[in-house]
Amino acid sequence: AQSVAQPEDQVNVAEGNPLTVKCTYSVSGNPYLFWYVQYPNRGLQFLLKYITGDNLVKGSYGFEAEFNKSQTSFHLKKPSALVSDSALYFCAVRGSARQLTFGSGTQLTVLP
Amino acid sequence: NAGVTQTPKFRVLKTGQSMTLLCAQDMNHEYMYWYRQDPGMGLRLIHYSVGEGTTAKGEVPDGYNVSRLKKQNFLLGLESAAPSQTSVYFCASRADRGHGYTFGSGTRLTVV
Repeated sequence: AQSVAQPEDQVNVAEGNPLTVKCTYSVSGNPYLFWYVQYPNRGLQFLLKYITGDNLVKGSYGFEAEFNKSQTSFHLKKPSALVSDSALYFCAVRGSARQLTFGSGTQLTVLP
Repeated sequence: NAGVTQTPKFRVLKTGQSMTLLCAQDMNHEYMYWYRQDPGMGLRLIHYSVGEGTTAKGEVPDGYNVSRLKKQNFLLGLESAAPSQTSVYFCASRADRGHGYTFGSGTRLTVV
């Protein structure tokens, strides 16, 4: 069975600084990986996905993620954080029957 | 704005009561999913459907039933609510050949 680990419950970063939200995964076969963001009292919104190809994936709102097969990681990054980026971020992997398995989430707080 | 609509948005139930959560999507998506979100646990799959008339169990199906009589609707039922079912419930849908999920805005259920 597939699984996702987000080792940090909370990440704090100053506005303008680069941010990283960590994710590692376990899955049989080729990984299909996703990042979603959740703002308070809202559903999850798609940020980006890795299916195949370049290891650096660019997504919405200036976010990108780096796929590392040897380390089984898919870390979310942004060069310059904004206060409006503060939200709950979920990493997910697609497994059997094409359903997503989510990590436990990382609360990102960008401090002004 | 089209997408995935969940009703109701909020509900308080007494232990032992029953209710049905409705998910409706207008994107002609084949796949539909019900997740529950609990603090520190991410999203866990309850049941899913790969097409009209089909349903399957996910990670945490006990205490829930589902039906997909029409392609656009996916109903989640609680026959006898328990306090452990207090959670935020999210519905999602996906096209057959697509990779991204579209999420509803959630239903916050409290069982007292």
